[in-house]
Amino acid sequence: DAGVTQSPTHLIKTRGQHVTLRCSPISGHKSVSWYQQVLGQGPQFIFQYYEKEERGRGNFPDRFSARQFPNYSSELNVNALLLGDSALYLCASRKQEKDGYTFGSGTRLTVV
Amino acid sequence: AQSVSQHNHHVILSEAASLELGCNYSYGGTVNLFWYVQYPGQHLQLLLKYFSGDPLVKGIKGFEAEFIKSKFSFNLRKPSVQWSDTAEYFCAVNYAGNMLTFGGGTRLMVKP
Repeated sequence: DAGVTQSPTHLIKTRGQHVTLRCSPISGHKSVSWYQQVLGQGPQFIFQYYEKEERGRGNFPDRFSARQFPNYSSELNVNALLLGDSALYLCASRKQEKDGYTFGSGTRLTVV
Repeated sequence: AQSVSQHNHHVILSEAASLELGCNYSYGGTVNLFWYVQYPGQHLQLLLKYFSGDPLVKGIKGFEAEFIKSKFSFNLRKPSVQWSDTAEYFCAVNYAGNMLTFGGGTRLMVKP
């Protein structure tokens, strides 16, 4: 089985721009979560979706939004990028609560 | 707010030495506990998890962790480390919700 796949792997954006990050969960996994990992820190929770509905939101500004599609893939959108948004963005999926989350390799976003 | 503390930010060991990484969490209710590992250049991988039952949990690659509820701790152990265990280790807690709260991570370097 393919793992959690994320695209793109790297991108560079300018302050004020918009970015869309994509995630395909493992087949059969209906729950998808997004995390932000700043260099030298542990991942911080951004969103969790299950069956296309938002089930949780972390302490991030409204510039961050996400959605989940009928095929359970997901997008994370960030508007009006700031330098501080530079980070590794991780997507994770799970089949059921007791499975624990499987993480993708992430998208490295650099804002200049 | 719930939090997870990993006391050791950097650990350096020689091969065959024993390892114990500390993890404490702040919440007194029902929690699910995880240890993830991130090898250089790779994505986060689940080492082990605790949901209920035997508080001594065995994971992959010879790792184990012990849940001590009275101490709000979930320490990771390995009797004899190898050079290939060089990685960053993250403790994470699910506070009866869908989000994972991660500790700041411990960088382990094993000298051959």
